[in-house]
Amino acid sequence: EVQVVQSGGGLVQPGRSLRLSCTTSGFTFGDYAVSWFRQAPGKGLEWVGFIRSKVYGETTEYAASVKGRFTVSRDDSKSIAYLQMNSLKTEDTAMYYCTRYGGTFDYWGQGTLVTVSS
Amino acid sequence: DIVMTQTPLSLPVTLGQPASISCRSSQSLVHSDGNTYLNWLQQRPGQPPRLLISKISNRFSGVPDRFSGSGAGTDFTLKINRVEAEDVGVYYCAQATQFPWTFGQGTKVEIK
Repeated sequence: EVQVVQSGGGLVQPGRSLRLSCTTSGFTFGDYAVSWFRQAPGKGLEWVGFIRSKVYGETTEYAASVKGRFTVSRDDSKSIAYLQMNSLKTEDTAMYYCTRYGGTFDYWGQGTLVTVSS
Repeated sequence: DIVMTQTPLSLPVTLGQPASISCRSSQSLVHSDGNTYLNWLQQRPGQPPRLLISKISNRFSGVPDRFSGSGAGTDFTLKINRVEAEDVGVYYCAQATQFPWTFGQGTKVEIK
């Protein structure tokens, strides 16, 4: 059974950093890309970032709103993906979701809430 | 960026009746590989999004067959054959043809 479990959210002050984790099981993690999305309170879905699998060079893509501040990475030996968020802003407050991607974003994590506030 | 426009934004439906949501993209979603990466997701209240349909019309595992997707190019439709109480929530179309991936505004389905 494919599972995607997220961790690492919380309350953080503006300008600080936070790292989210996306722990997976039930499939060969290294064969898949991973994508991150977010949803501000009461708002719609927004794509945040993406990392390809090793065979595609683990290259990354980012939304303009987070480029230069957020970094997506992966550890295939642990079947975990990460979202490193630096220089956080109040507008980054949202529920963050990670998904497996193999042609579509089929399996989603439960989400982790990030609140950026002083 | 590709703009995704959904209509309607609110959809009151009667149990057992059909429902339809339209999604239009600002440019063709046909990828250079020949696929059209148009997806439909459902988000029930308090839940993470759930994939319903990928590549216009491919139902994901476990999705009831009352859900169907159709369309081509820039115009797409999600149909629910006979709405059930568990279908209440917000439905999003999303394109993954071109970065940045983008979503429609969401259509809130509620029971009359």
